[in-house]
Amino acid sequence: EDQVTQSPEALRLQEGESSSLNCSYTVSGLRGLFWYRQDPGKGPEFLFTLYSAGEEKEKERLKATLTKKESFLHITAPKPEDSATYLCASLSGGSYIPTFGRGTSLIVHP
Amino acid sequence: DADVTQTPRNRITKTGKRIMLECSQTKGHDRMYWYRQDPGLGLRLIYYSFDVKDINKGEISDGYSVSRQAQAKFSLSLESAIPNQTALYFCATSAQGSQPQHFGDGTRLSIL
Repeated sequence: EDQVTQSPEALRLQEGESSSLNCSYTVSGLRGLFWYRQDPGKGPEFLFTLYSAGEEKEKERLKATLTKKESFLHITAPKPEDSATYLCASLSGGSYIPTFGRGTSLIVHP
Repeated sequence: DADVTQTPRNRITKTGKRIMLECSQTKGHDRMYWYRQDPGLGLRLIYYSFDVKDINKGEISDGYSVSRQAQAKFSLSLESAIPNQTALYFCATSAQGSQPQHFGDGTRLSIL
């Protein structure tokens, strides 16, 4: 059974304090690893897809990386507007149904 | 306009009532999904459909039914609502293959 575990559950940072969120996965035949951002009262918003170990994607202050067992979302010099819940999901070749982690709630204080 | 539109955005109803949540999309995607989200439990899949003639149960389909009226429309019904179905409900779409999902802004459903 595919599993995705995100850590930490919650993270508080000061503005400008860089950090990383972790997404550990166990799937048979990874087809893709997705990162989403979710604001309160809104649906998850797609950020990145990573397809193979060693791949990296960047967008503004966010960079996602992938190994064979985990993915990291690095946040460089965060701003208060980066506060949100970040979700990751893995896609295996068997069912093409993503398995979601429970998310990391990030709060960035000014 | 939103690519994935859910209606209503909020609904309060009573135990035993029949409720329908609707989802429409303009992304041209074949695949559509219904999830519920509860605090601490994350997103859980209720039903999914890979094309108009395809309907599949997810991990928590009991008490729910769906209808795929067209490629762009996928509705979720609660035949007889119960309080533990109070949750945030999301519709999502995706293209074929290893493509990400795109979500609507959800329906907040409260059952008294």
